[in-house]
Amino acid sequence: AQSVTQLGSHVSVSEGALVLLRCNYSSSVPPYLFWYVQYPNQGLQLLLKYTSAATLVKGINGFEAEFKKSETSFHLTKPSAHMSDAAEYFCAVRPGGKLIFGQGTELSVKP
Amino acid sequence: EAGVAQSPRYKIIEKRQSVAFWCNPISGHATLYWYQQILGQGPKLLIQFQNNGVVDDSQLPKDRFSAERLKGVDSTLKIQPAKLEDSAVYLCASSLTRTEAGELFFGEGSRLTVL
Repeated sequence: AQSVTQLGSHVSVSEGALVLLRCNYSSSVPPYLFWYVQYPNQGLQLLLKYTSAATLVKGINGFEAEFKKSETSFHLTKPSAHMSDAAEYFCAVRPGGKLIFGQGTELSVKP
Repeated sequence: EAGVAQSPRYKIIEKRQSVAFWCNPISGHATLYWYQQILGQGPKLLIQFQNNGVVDDSQLPKDRFSAERLKGVDSTLKIQPAKLEDSAVYLCASSLTRTEAGELFFGEGSRLTVL
């Protein structure tokens, strides 16, 4: 069965620093992978998705993720953190139509 | 374009009481999902509808949870009787199709507190 594992439940960075949120997937076939963001008391919003067209995927708000088959990873990065990036981030895989989420990583941004 | 609408946003009940949540998906979206998100965890799929038929309800606690999607549009999720461990945010999502590359659009969720 396909699944994703997010490494680190909490990540704290300073404003302007690099953001790196880690996600590893488990799948015997090329997966469709997603990153969603959830701001407090809101629903989930799609940041970006990998659908095998390109290994480097650019999303909204300056985020990007790179699909690495050799490492079974799909880590999310942003060169320079902004205070407004503070939120919960979820990696997800979509086998057969349903979306399966990781445990989430809470990102804190310090001024 | 209107997003996924959910109500109520917040509900507080006592254990053994019943509660119902309503979801109106984006117009034209054939697939509808209900997820349960317990504090500190990722959302977990409860049930998936394709039009008004159930595609996957393998993780729905059927002894207390029920869901329906009338006429393939709106959906309701009911819990009866509620338990303390049902305290969570219930998220509704919809997508145009079931294809794996498609995006799910989420509502803001209904937060349930069971006392």
